[in-house]
Amino acid sequence: AQTVTQSQPEMSVQEAETVTLSCTYDTSENNYYLFWYKQPPSRQMILVIRQEAYKQQNATENRFSVNFQKAAKSFSLKISDSQLGDTAMYFCAFMKLATYNTDKLIFGTGTRLQVFP
Amino acid sequence: NAGVTQTPKFRILKIGQSMTLQCAQDMNHNYMYWYRQDPGMGLKLIYYSVGAGITDKGEVPNGYNVSRSTTEDFPLRLELAAPSQTSVYFCASSLMTGAYEQYFGPGTRLTVT
Repeated sequence: AQTVTQSQPEMSVQEAETVTLSCTYDTSENNYYLFWYKQPPSRQMILVIRQEAYKQQNATENRFSVNFQKAAKSFSLKISDSQLGDTAMYFCAFMKLATYNTDKLIFGTGTRLQVFP
Repeated sequence: NAGVTQTPKFRILKIGQSMTLQCAQDMNHNYMYWYRQDPGMGLKLIYYSVGAGITDKGEVPNGYNVSRSTTEDFPLRLELAAPSQTSVYFCASSLMTGAYEQYFGPGTRLTVT
């Protein structure tokens, strides 16, 4: 079974600084997807960034980028120029590519990020 | 475009009561999902649907039932509520599976006492 581990329950960063959130996963699959979701205090889950395992190039979305190390099964999220609005829980999630039916998201336990002024 | 809507936002149930959590999406998405989020944990999949009339179990289906009679609606039924079902429930939808983004509703906080 696939598992997703986020070893940092809480992180803090000063506004405009850079922070990296860690995520490791365990799978025997070769084809899969990885995601980072953000959950602000409003509770709404929002997709931040996604990575297809077959792509070697790391995904980037504006201030958010990932460091995807397939051999090490590591998928960290880097937030540059942190803003107060980045304060949220961040969840790493894994989805294997199913041969039929639907693929299922497996979530980590989350990292609470606090951005200080 | 309202996206994914859920009702109610909050609910307190007594042990043994039943209720239905409503979920609707107006994006014409084929796939819909129900998750629960326990304190300090990530989301776990309860049930999902790949289209009207087709549903299947996720990781934690016991104590729940679903139906999908239309593309838009995907209600979750709790029968004989138990304290272990105290959680925040999220409904989500996506156009397709795989790398397609899942759009989440605002959640329903349920307490069973």
